[in-house]
Amino acid sequence: AIQLTQSPSFLSASVGDRVNITCRTSQGIYSALAWYQQKPGKSPNLLIYDASTLESGVPSRFTGSGSGTHFTLTISSLQPEDFATYYCQQFHLYPPITFGQGTRLEIK
Amino acid sequence: EVQLLESGGGLVQPGGSLRLSCAASGYSFRSYAMSWVRQAPGKGLEWVSAIGDNGRSTYYADSVKGRFTISRDNSKNTLYLEMSSLRAEDTALYFCARGGDYEPFHLWGQGTMVAVSS
Repeated sequence: AIQLTQSPSFLSASVGDRVNITCRTSQGIYSALAWYQQKPGKSPNLLIYDASTLESGVPSRFTGSGSGTHFTLTISSLQPEDFATYYCQQFHLYPPITFGQGTRLEIK
Repeated sequence: EVQLLESGGGLVQPGGSLRLSCAASGYSFRSYAMSWVRQAPGKGLEWVSAIGDNGRSTYYADSVKGRFTISRDNSKNTLYLEMSSLRAEDTALYFCARGGDYEPFHLWGQGTMVAVSS
C-alpha cells in the first residue's frame, strides 16, 4: 500500500497568514493526489484534485502543487473559515485508497 | 440537489451484523463508482471499500476483507455495506462517497455512526 505522510500534523497560524501543508508518498503517484478539508462534525470537502486542479466552488486562495512523491497545499491568506483539518489522498494505485494522517490547522 | 444520504447505523454487539445504506439523488448514480470511508472517533479517514459503476468490480481494505460486502442497486440509486463479525475497532462514522475508481471523492454523505460494544 502507498503510504502518505503529511507535515506538519498540527499548525497554528493567524488570519491573513500564508500556510503550506506537505504530503509525501511512499512511491510515485504522478499527479493522482487530492486534498480535502474537514470541519468538526462535518464530512470532508474536496478542495484540489489531480494535484493542482481546484474543485468547483473552492476559493482561489487554495492552490495545490507537486507531482511524483512530493505535494503541497497552499492557502495564500488564511480566512477564519479555513481553520479545519486537511487530508491528502492518493488515487493512483488501489486497493487500498490511502489518506494522509491529517493536518490540524488552528488559530494562533 | 446532488446529495448522498446514509442510514442504518447504530449500536451493535461484537460479532453482530449491520447493513448500511446510502441513497443518492440529483445525478446519474449508475455512472459513477462509489466508496465507503470511515472515521473512528477523533481519528483520520480510512477507506473501507469501493464498487465500480456497474457493480461488477469490488475492492476492500484488508481490515474488513471477508467481513464486509459492498453492493449497489442502480435501479434504486442506492449503495449498501453489509457488515458482519463486527469488532470494537469497527466503531466509526461511516461515509459514503462518490468516486474511488481512480477518481477522487467529489461528493460525500453526512455519515452514519456505527458503535460496536457490549
